[in-house]
Amino acid sequence: GDSVTQMEGPVTLSEEAFLTINCTYTATGYPSLFWYVQYPGEGLQLLLKATKADDKGSNKGFEATYRKETTSFHLEKGSVQVSDSAVYFCALRTFGNEKLTFGTGTRLTIIP
Amino acid sequence: EAGVTQSPTHLIKTRGQQATLRCSPISGHTSVYWYQQALGLGLQFLLWYDEGEERNRGNFPPRFSGRQFPNYSSELNVNALELEDSALYLCASSLGGPSSGNTIYFGEGSWLTVV
Repeated sequence: GDSVTQMEGPVTLSEEAFLTINCTYTATGYPSLFWYVQYPGEGLQLLLKATKADDKGSNKGFEATYRKETTSFHLEKGSVQVSDSAVYFCALRTFGNEKLTFGTGTRLTIIP
Repeated sequence: EAGVTQSPTHLIKTRGQQATLRCSPISGHTSVYWYQQALGLGLQFLLWYDEGEERNRGNFPPRFSGRQFPNYSSELNVNALELEDSALYLCASSLGGPSSGNTIYFGEGSWLTVV
């Protein structure tokens, strides 16, 4: 079946540090890949997505590239801010299996 | 345009009771999904409805059930509540049809506490 493996958290960084959150997947079909973010006390928000190999999703300074050869979709940001503190979820969705399959989430804390 | 809306925001029930949670999808979306986010357990898929029909179900007992109405809104019912049902229940919606690329949008969630 489909599965997503995310970097274990929590992750604590200083403001303006470089961020990488690793995500790898296994899928029975050809998936679309997503990063969602959950700020404290809120629901999930779509951060970015990529629907085919070599696509790069980007939003709010975050980027992730769909790497089919390594089955990965790592999230990166060049300079994090305190406001980026949240839980980040990697997810996939395959044609014919319309639900999202999530990783376990990575809690990110940015300290000033 | 309104996003996915859920009600109630918080709900407290006693063990053995029934809980009903409601969800209104984004206008034009025909697919509705329910997820459970229990503490320490991540996001677990519960149910998927599309065009009024249940299309897929996660690994949950039958006391978790729901339905989708003709206006595409949905409700989730949890019968015979157990303490471990305490969680954030997230509803999401998307355009219908067999496309893996359609974005799924989430609501703010309903917090269910079972005491």
